[in-house]
Amino acid sequence: KAGVTQTPRYLIKTRGQQVTLSCSPISGHRSVSWYQQTPGQGLQFLFEYFSETQRNKGNFPGRFSGRQFSNSRSEMNVSTLELGDSALYLCASSLEAGNTIYFGEGSWLTVV
Amino acid sequence: DAKTTQPPSMDCAEGRAANLPCNHSTISGNEYVYWYRQIHSQGPQYIIHGLKNNETNEMASLIITEDRKSSTLILPHATLRDTAVYYCIVRVRDTGFQKLVFGTGTRLLVSP
Repeated sequence: KAGVTQTPRYLIKTRGQQVTLSCSPISGHRSVSWYQQTPGQGLQFLFEYFSETQRNKGNFPGRFSGRQFSNSRSEMNVSTLELGDSALYLCASSLEAGNTIYFGEGSWLTVV
Repeated sequence: DAKTTQPPSMDCAEGRAANLPCNHSTISGNEYVYWYRQIHSQGPQYIIHGLKNNETNEMASLIITEDRKSSTLILPHATLRDTAVYYCIVRVRDTGFQKLVFGTGTRLLVSP
């Protein structure tokens, strides 16, 4: 069974640009969440989705947004990129919200 | 804030058992103990979870004290590939929320 798939794995963007990251959950999983990992702040929760609805949001500015599609795939978008947005962005999925959560390999974003 | 306390680092000789402690003295009755690990530059990998009984799977064993205020993750025969950061997380399961609160974890170094 394929795991959580994230694309792209690596990308470099310029300050002020926007970026969209994609996540395909494990087949059959309906709940998707996103995390940001930086050396200074560690792993931090961004938001979670279930049945195309955002259920919970972490303490991040409005430049960070996401959505979930009817097939449970999810995307997150960061607009007006700042240098501090350079991080590993992780997507995770679970069968139902509240069940064991499995992570993808992440998307490495570098903002220059 | 994370609800768990872990030692920042531990060493283990290859082939020996690695015992990673976690303190969660404020755990609630409906909170589970979850363990994940993160090998450098990869997404966190789920290891095991438990409520109050000891648990074992193909990766590890989880020992939870009777008062549930602490637990120990045991890797019975550590290999070099077990070198990683190990996170202990407490979480209410089956509530419909996916948010995980990560602490700083324990950096386990397995040496030959």
